[in-house]
Formats: sequence, structure tokens, C-alpha cells
Amino acid sequence: DTGVSQDPRHKITKRGQNVTFRCDPISEHNRLYWYRQTLGQGPEFLTYFQNEAQLEKSRLLSDRFSAERPKGSFSTLEIQHTEQGDSAMYLCASSHANQGDEQFFGPGTRLTVL
Amino acid sequence: GEDVEQSLFLSVREGDSSVINCTYTDSSSTYLYWYKQEPGAGLQLLTYIFSNMDMKQDQRLTVLLNKKDKHLSLRIADTQTGDSAIYFCALRDIKIIFGKGTRLHILP
Repeated sequence: DTGVSQDPRHKITKRGQNVTFRCDPISEHNRLYWYRQTLGQGPEFLTYFQNEAQLEKSRLLSDRFSAERPKGSFSTLEIQHTEQGDSAMYLCASSHANQGDEQFFGPGTRLTVL
Repeated sequence: GEDVEQSLFLSVREGDSSVINCTYTDSSSTYLYWYKQEPGAGLQLLTYIFSNMDMKQDQRLTVLLNKKDKHLSLRIADTQTGDSAIYFCALRDIKIIFGKGTRLHILP
């Protein structure tokens, strides 16, 4: 399977705990994006990387959220001190800026904060 | 900031045409998309249109873009039960801005 993969697919945690999600983009894609989708809403942009550089962050990305893409390949999204309002589907997408830039989405990580 | 608005629900009889409408505020986006999301499944890019086009047809799908009114529509001809899903209107420059989605319900 050469699509975007995300791990884990589901995460249940208690309020106050830290969680980390991983995204593996399509090979050779230089852009990687994180979105969040809550129930009844469309996906909302959180942040994106071009190679290893984080180029834009949404106001939704509070100080408790940190995203990294250290080698310009996979990315991690960490949420510290989780709150119930963090419960959502976290979607990752990747694209190649010089080949149409179409974003391909992964299956998402569903986070439930109890 | 950018805003994308679409109606939340649409019910259509099987075999009829479905028309899902969307309005937006940002006029700088190069691409305008329609995504499909089925329960438990990921986002699927259904079709897209460049901002310099008025219409695009792809089999049962027709996308119409009215740049003056900032209105985008998706028409699904001969709607089938497999078309039951949530349809998102979206705009892209680099990041994608999504609407809240229209849930399409197919009546027998």
C-alpha cells in the first residue's frame, strides 16, 4: 500500500495524558499536512510542512500541540495534557508541490479523551 | 478569514439528480474541490475545478462554478444508493478550507 498511513487508528486516553500520533506520507511527497475533524464538522487545517520546515500553523494549534517532521519524511503530532475538547479525528495528508500539489488523505487517528 | 458554506442535509430519490450547493468568501483559491466521505472511511477526492473554469463534467458528476457569485455546485446524475455520504465543498491555495459537509440521503 503506497498511500498515506497513520498510526494508531484509534486512541483512547484520560484527560491530562499526553498522546502522540504518527503519519507516514506517500513516498517523495514533500508537503505534509495535519487537519482535525470533529463530529458534524468538516476537517480544519492545523499545520503543514514543506520537507522538514513547518511553514504554517493555524490558531487552532494551541501551545499544547506540537508537530514535527524531523527528516522531511514521517511526521508526529503530540498533544500534551489532553482535554475532552481534543477528542476528534486527526487527519494527515501529503502532496508534492511540483506535481499538481493534490493532497492525499490518510485514514485518520480517532482520539477519544475521557 | 475564508469561509465555506453549504447546506447540511439533502434527500433525493434514487434515480433523480442531486444538486449540492456551496458558497464561499475567498476568491484567491486556485482549486475548488468536492470530497466524499462515507461512514468509517477516509476522505475521497471526488472531483475538482480550476478557478478559471466555469464547468467540468466527469461521468455522472457536473461541477458548476459561478465566480461572480462565489457559488460552486455539484450535480450527481442518476443518484444511486452508493452515493449516500457526506459531501464537502473545499477550496485550496496550499491548505484546504472545507465546508461543514452536506449529508446526502437517498430515498428508495
